[in-house]
Amino acid sequence: KQEVTQIPAALSVPEGENLVLNCSFTDSAIYNLQWFRQDPGKGLTSLLLIQSSQREQTSGRLNASLDKSSGRSTLYIAASQPGDSATYLCAVNAGNQFYFGTGTSLTVIP
Amino acid sequence: GAGVSQSPRYKVAKRGQDVALRCDPISGHVSLFWYQQALGQGPEFLTYFQNEAQLDKSGLPSDRFFAERPEGSVSTLKIQRTQQEDSAVYLCASRINRRIPYNEQFFGPGTRLTVL
Repeated sequence: KQEVTQIPAALSVPEGENLVLNCSFTDSAIYNLQWFRQDPGKGLTSLLLIQSSQREQTSGRLNASLDKSSGRSTLYIAASQPGDSATYLCAVNAGNQFYFGTGTSLTVIP
Repeated sequence: GAGVSQSPRYKVAKRGQDVALRCDPISGHVSLFWYQQALGQGPEFLTYFQNEAQLDKSGLPSDRFFAERPEGSVSTLKIQRTQQEDSAVYLCASRINRRIPYNEQFFGPGTRLTVL
């Protein structure tokens, strides 16, 4: 079974800092990897989707990379803002099942 | 609406009661997924539908859990004889077309179930 790990579990940074969130997975046979943000008491908002054939995807201040062979993905957030505070989850698509990590709880301090 | 909707948003049940959770996917989305998210954890896959066909129910934790999507649109997750360990947020997601596995999932806001 695919195991997805996210490090760190929690992160606190001052506003304006650039930061990197890590996601690793044990089985490289994936279709794609998706990064989500989850605000307290809310559902998941899709941030970026990277196909297995891609190396990275960018959206605004967010950049996600994928190294399928090593089973790793990173989410880079540039110039962090207090509104970025949330839990960030990565999910690996291995067919019709999606495997999630436990998330990184991010706090951006004004 | 344009997104996935779920109802109720919150449900409190006494242990032993049956509950039914509803998901309205995005119109035209063929695939529908149910997940269970315990406090402080990532979502765990429960079951998957393509149209009205339930193609994978390997994640359902026991035979007390049952899901259906009779007309290939709205789906209902039913939990019989609820137990305290069933307390969690139940998330529904939809995807446009199974034959294109690259499509992203869109999630609803979830139903928070508390079993007393």
